[in-house]
Amino acid sequence: QSVLTQPPSASGTPGQRVTISCSGSSSNIGSDTVNWYQQLPGTAPKLLIYSNNQRPSGVPDRFSGSKSGTSASLAISGLQSEDEADYYCAAWDDSLNGPVFGGGTKLTVL
Amino acid sequence: QVQLVESGGGVVQPGRSLRLSCAASGFTFSSYAMHWVRQAPGKGLEWVAFITYVGSNKFYADSVKGRFTISRDNSKTTLYLQMDSLRAEDTAVYYCAKTFAGSPNDAFDIWGQGTMVTVSS
Repeated sequence: QSVLTQPPSASGTPGQRVTISCSGSSSNIGSDTVNWYQQLPGTAPKLLIYSNNQRPSGVPDRFSGSKSGTSASLAISGLQSEDEADYYCAAWDDSLNGPVFGGGTKLTVL
Repeated sequence: QVQLVESGGGVVQPGRSLRLSCAASGFTFSSYAMHWVRQAPGKGLEWVAFITYVGSNKFYADSVKGRFTISRDNSKTTLYLQMDSLRAEDTAVYYCAKTFAGSPNDAFDIWGQGTMVTVSS
């Protein structure tokens, strides 16, 4: 059971907009920023969004993040086949004194 | 370029020990807190431990506390994870990860390729 809650799966067709939610509590998302990671099949995770809504250089602006209270979401617009991957949210947890992850959302591009 | 390369994984019997290494290059290793994160087969990501940039502070997930020890050698730009009293549930790919701006609670901007640890008799 992960500390942060994500839907196990999401799907969309090419060109569509998809959102993935991430729910936490006051000790993690409610008190710190949220980061998102993309993990393509058989590869290491890659930083996609940091500090709620910032994109590292090289990440397309099709990817965006937001946070409100103890929840966050990742939006992917103009869905492409190469976006098919697992997506994880993460945030620092003050009570655990370490980062916590969501269980991951498997995105399928139909 | 900025790179992390893990090594030391393998198959080990329950109760035995293993030491993982993570060789860093392309950045000032001694300026960044570092983490270990693991992923059991077919499962999600689980944080394991972190160490501050000079190694003065270390924190662990409850699942490994008292059995795993994180350390670093800044002169060798290498991060370590000593894993003792291994259990079947420790079977996972182990990743080392660099913090984005140096603080333990930053995002992980660079990940290694991972090293597989299998605990089995």
